[in-house]
Amino acid sequence: QKEVEQDPGPLSVPEGAIVSLNCTYSNSAFQYFMWYRQYSRKGPELLMYTYSSGNKEDGRFTAQVDKSSKYISLFIRDSQPSDSATYLCAMSGEDSSYKLIFGSGTRLLVRP
Amino acid sequence: NAGVMQNPRHLVRRRGQEARLRCSPMKGHSHVYWYRQLPEEGLKFMVYLQKENIIDESGMPKERFSAEFPKEGPSILRIQQVVRGDSAAYFCASSRLAGFNEQFFGPGTRLTVL
Repeated sequence: QKEVEQDPGPLSVPEGAIVSLNCTYSNSAFQYFMWYRQYSRKGPELLMYTYSSGNKEDGRFTAQVDKSSKYISLFIRDSQPSDSATYLCAMSGEDSSYKLIFGSGTRLLVRP
Repeated sequence: NAGVMQNPRHLVRRRGQEARLRCSPMKGHSHVYWYRQLPEEGLKFMVYLQKENIIDESGMPKERFSAEFPKEGPSILRIQQVVRGDSAAYFCASSRLAGFNEQFFGPGTRLTVL
């Protein structure tokens, strides 16, 4: 079993839709939770991170962490075609916090 | 303010040859991380280096792979005697501080082993 599970998609939505992306994990020691966006043939780019449980909002993006369920989510409101990319969740623990454990990524396509 | 630079962007090697991948971190960053991304998989941590020191190489295969980050010049990931299974995208990231802080990723080097 992988430490971090993520549905690969692809997820296809019309422009303006609310998108929900999710990851589950098995290691209860994870404390840092991140979402990266990766465009084709590019390196990942950090969108948001949260520490421990709770919600965090940044513009159209909201990240949620539920440590009791070992489940994290990224919501994208008013999705745009430019949001079309692969979204990777990543996590790390207090020890070796630099060692990011990534999900396999969900491909998102926002149709105009 | 240039980002993380990696070269070459694409590298083709025949089985048994050596591959050298270079990474120049962002200005002011002294922490470098290498990750490998296999097709349809997420990035896998390989190694964490500071200038002249390997801090954590727990993700590096025991044989054929080595990494360095000299006092001067880029970080190098070296793969000796490449095999087809080494074909992947190799990403370098850098950060300003130790511990948890944003890692900025380069565009990657795509290695193809024939």
